[in-house]
Amino acid sequence: GAVVSQHPSRVICKSGTSVKIECRSLDFQATTMFWYRQFPKQSLMLMATSNEGSKATYEQGVEKDKFLINHASLTLSTLTVTSAHPEDSSFYICSARPVQGQREQYFGPGTRLTVT
Amino acid sequence: AQTVTQSQPEMSVQEAETVTLSCTYDTSESDYYLFWYKQPPSRQMILVIRQEAYKQQNATENRFSVNFQKAAKSFSLKISDSQLGDAAMYFCAYSLYAGGTSYGKLTFGQGTILTVHP
Repeated sequence: GAVVSQHPSRVICKSGTSVKIECRSLDFQATTMFWYRQFPKQSLMLMATSNEGSKATYEQGVEKDKFLINHASLTLSTLTVTSAHPEDSSFYICSARPVQGQREQYFGPGTRLTVT
Repeated sequence: AQTVTQSQPEMSVQEAETVTLSCTYDTSESDYYLFWYKQPPSRQMILVIRQEAYKQQNATENRFSVNFQKAAKSFSLKISDSQLGDAAMYFCAYSLYAGGTSYGKLTFGQGTILTVHP
């Protein structure tokens, strides 16, 4: 149990275009999902906290107009990178916290974004 | 703000031996969780072990155990009988215990790359 999926696993897009990354909790409901960014051999940096039915809370320094987050249901959150540029190339990871029970959050397998 | 520090960028261990990864953190809170996560080459984050700050007893999970020193704000991970599959990047992480907007947010350390030699 407690599986989180991300789609796509890899995406290449041209500079100036937008790309959407989906995060789904497959076998549990999650009121809260988190989006992280990770550069090679570096730590995970929290970008935003996504709560179902409400606006996401962004960490300091994260451009909310560039990284649009929508948490429309208890099993799906999306991250849209708008007007992507090469510096947005990174590994994006989501995690989901169950509504009840466990204190852990469960991580998706990540999405590698390359902007050319 | 909470910070987590892992001062060992890389560690290595011989198969079947024991290795300890270090982690220190800074917080003004009294109730929180501490975690060790493993990230193998697949990049999938895997929870290794969790410690509640209010528990004095150190958490153990099979070959993995922690040494939690709350006063010193230290949280080290000991891996016994190391296996080749333990090779990964290990992250120490902190999360607040109580509710509120910060609940569940993980603050990660810089990570330690563990190499296991056969």
